[in-house]
Amino acid sequence: KNEVEQSPQNLTAQEGEFITINCSYSVGISALHWLQQHPGGGIVSLFMLSSGKKKHGRLIATINIQEKHSSLHITASHPRDSAVYICAVRYGGSQGNLIFGKGTKLSVKP
Amino acid sequence: EAGVVQSPRYKIIEKKQPVAFWCNPISGHNTLYWYLQNLGQGPELLIRYENEEAVDDSQLPKDRFSAERLKGVDSTLKIQPAELGDSAVYLCASSSGPYNEQFFGPGTRLTVL
Repeated sequence: KNEVEQSPQNLTAQEGEFITINCSYSVGISALHWLQQHPGGGIVSLFMLSSGKKKHGRLIATINIQEKHSSLHITASHPRDSAVYICAVRYGGSQGNLIFGKGTKLSVKP
Repeated sequence: EAGVVQSPRYKIIEKKQPVAFWCNPISGHNTLYWYLQNLGQGPELLIRYENEEAVDDSQLPKDRFSAERLKGVDSTLKIQPAELGDSAVYLCASSSGPYNEQFFGPGTRLTVL
């Protein structure tokens, strides 16, 4: 079974802290996505990557294909970053379908 | 430009009743997805459409769930009859192709009593 594992499940940080959320997967993939879900359900795509590193503002996503691992980093965290962060992967034989992790719930305290 | 539109946002019904959810994707997006999201879990694919064709419905419980996308634009997901375990958020997403970025709607939160 193709699985996506995220850690930690829950994370509480103080404003300004550097945050790392991890994602690991079991077999080769064609792409990995990081998404953000705020209370109320709306999901927003943050990054789509298949190798290396991408940066957008205070967010950085990295992927190590050999280790089957990706990380999402948030620098200078802010209370508005509080949300659930979801990792999703597209496996080669999945016809384009995404397999989602359970998400990491982040709470940033002022 | 409007994003993915879903209605209703919330629905409360009694078990054994029917319920329907509606989704209007982003204009021009041929690929449409329906997902089920249980509390504390990631979304799980129910069905994927390419235009009006359901190309992957392997995870759709066909004894009680049905979906349609008759003109290849908006789509309806139906449950009949609903069970207690169907309480969840039903998400619709669309993309310009199956390998492109997906854009999600706000979801419909279903509560079955």
